[in-house]
Amino acid sequence: EILLTQSPATLSLSPGERATLSCRASQSVSNDLAWYQQKPGQAPRLLIYDASNRATGIPARFSGSGSGTDFTLTISRLEPEDFAVYYCQQRSSWNTFGQGTRLEIK
Amino acid sequence: EVQLLESGGGLVQPGGSLRLSCAASGFTFSNYAMNWVRQAPGKGLEWVAGLSSSSYSTYYADSVKGRFTISRDNSKNTLYLQMNSLRAEDTAVYFCAKDHAAAAVWLFDSWGQGSLVTVSS
Repeated sequence: EILLTQSPATLSLSPGERATLSCRASQSVSNDLAWYQQKPGQAPRLLIYDASNRATGIPARFSGSGSGTDFTLTISRLEPEDFAVYYCQQRSSWNTFGQGTRLEIK
Repeated sequence: EVQLLESGGGLVQPGGSLRLSCAASGFTFSNYAMNWVRQAPGKGLEWVAGLSSSSYSTYYADSVKGRFTISRDNSKNTLYLQMNSLRAEDTAVYFCAKDHAAAAVWLFDSWGQGSLVTVSS
């Protein structure tokens, strides 16, 4: 099973700042990596797929990069609604999720 | 607009059974694979089961294999999860999730709001 490790566990930033979230795979997943956002009490929402493609309706401030084992989700300028938990997911071999990064208001 | 509405959750004793349903609308249900993903209280996401558009292929996480059965009725636009031999560790919110293709490609582009299953005596 491919393990995904997300860092940091918690990220404290202010609106307007840039957020950088990391996801590392235990073995190469090529570019078969997605990012999801989940707000409290809500379902997850697909943000990024195939490492760098924004899903339908996702604002341009969200971007993804990486391939192989190291991936990054960047939020260029944080809006109040961006504070949430973010999960990465690989679908290269079966599918697994990372443990999540909580993005909180500083 | 894609809508997925889960139902059937509740409190069940260990060893008991429960069937979840997911009513789909806003897309051609029979053209897409579907999945169940769960989230234990305060924990992360765990994929549980998947099913291709025609029901030809089914997939299960090791943690539920032999106890859970995923199925669908394309004439009713509904996905099901039959859960037997339930354990305390199955306690979670269960989300229905639409896949991105007819075959299971594990890309969950739409989600329901979830149904809470609590296994406790």
